[in-house]
This record gives sequence, structure tokens and C-alpha cells, in this order.
Amino acid sequence: AQRVTQPEKLLSVFKGAPVELKCNYSYSGSPELFWYVQYSRQRLQLLLRHISRESIKGFTADLNKGETSFHLKKPFAQEEDSAMYYCALRGMRNNDMRFGAGTRLTVKP
Amino acid sequence: SQTIHQWPATLVQPVGSPLSLECTVEGTSNPNLYWYRQAAGRGLQLLFYSVGIGQISSEVPQNLSASRPQDRQFILSSKKLLLSDSGFYLCAWSVGRGRTQYFGPGTRLLVL
Repeated sequence: AQRVTQPEKLLSVFKGAPVELKCNYSYSGSPELFWYVQYSRQRLQLLLRHISRESIKGFTADLNKGETSFHLKKPFAQEEDSAMYYCALRGMRNNDMRFGAGTRLTVKP
Repeated sequence: SQTIHQWPATLVQPVGSPLSLECTVEGTSNPNLYWYRQAAGRGLQLLFYSVGIGQISSEVPQNLSASRPQDRQFILSSKKLLLSDSGFYLCAWSVGRGRTQYFGPGTRLLVL
């Protein structure tokens, strides 16, 4: 079975501080990992995917197969980063997408 | 370009009443369609997905049902709402299963 765990429901940091949103997964095969974000009064949307190896809005995420993690990081948080973040996993065998419970990030001025 | 619509945006219904939420997609053919519930403190829960007209897979047993009467139309229904059905319902589409999902604006349902 595939499972995504986001251990922190709430995360609060000050502007300019580093931020890391944790995501751990459980899947026996090769997964594809995503981060989705939902800003206040906006639609849930894709932030980044691990196969793209890109940095979006200063965020990066590295797939660590040894630790089965896909933590989202940003060195200097901004107030506009405040949002709900969801980690998601796609199983390569069945193509099903599973979302974690989400982490609400608040960046304080 | 592709767009996804949901209505109504907000709905307040009494316990025991029926429910019908509609989702339509424009600008694409044969999309995979999904219904999620975003409940406070419980994250994003997949309720149903559909790979084609009339094809519905249920992820969670409950008093909700889904139908896909047309290629780009996905309906979430209930015959009798429960208090626990309150939440934010999101519809999404993707080109194929597991591909990037694009979400609608959502419907906030309050059951009293």
C-alpha cells in the first residue's frame, strides 16, 4: 500500500528563517513525488515534482529513497509562502495518486 | 486552455437532505476526474475517481456517490446528508491517472 505522512499539521516560522516541511512515504516500488500548495482563497495547485528537479518560488525538494522522504525546503521564508502544503505520491505500478494530510505553514513578519 | 468549474461555491443543507455537487471540465477530452474532501485537520481525502463515462471507483465507503453522465461532467451526490459530510469538496482532473492534477475552486458544504 502507498501512504504519505506529513507529521506536522501546523508549522510557524519567522520571515527570513529557513523552513522545512516534512514528508515521508511508504511504497514498495519506485514512486513519483509531488508538492501541492493552496494559498488563501486560491485553488490547490502543483508546486513542484521530484522528477523535474526544479526550484519553484525558492522551494526545493529532494527525494531520499533511503529515508523514504521528500521534504520541502526553502532557505529564507517569505510571508507570501503562508499556505497549506500537501505532499503527494504517485505509484508507478498503479498510477494512483495519494495525498498527505497537509501542513499549514504560517510565516510571521 | 483547460478550465474546471464547480458549483455551487457554498451550500448549507439540513441533515437528511439530498446533495448534488457538479463539476465540469472544458478544453480537454477524456480526462480522469476526481472528487476529494478537505476536512479540517484531516487533509485531502480521495473520495471517487473516474477514468471514463460511467466508470466510477470509490475509495472510501460512505453515504456519498458519484456519477459521470458525460465525458467532462462529474457529479457528487448523497440521498441523505450527515453532519459529518460537512467539509470542502474539491474536484480535479488529470490527463491520465497519476499525472498532475488540476483542481477546481471547491464547494464548501455545511450540514446543519
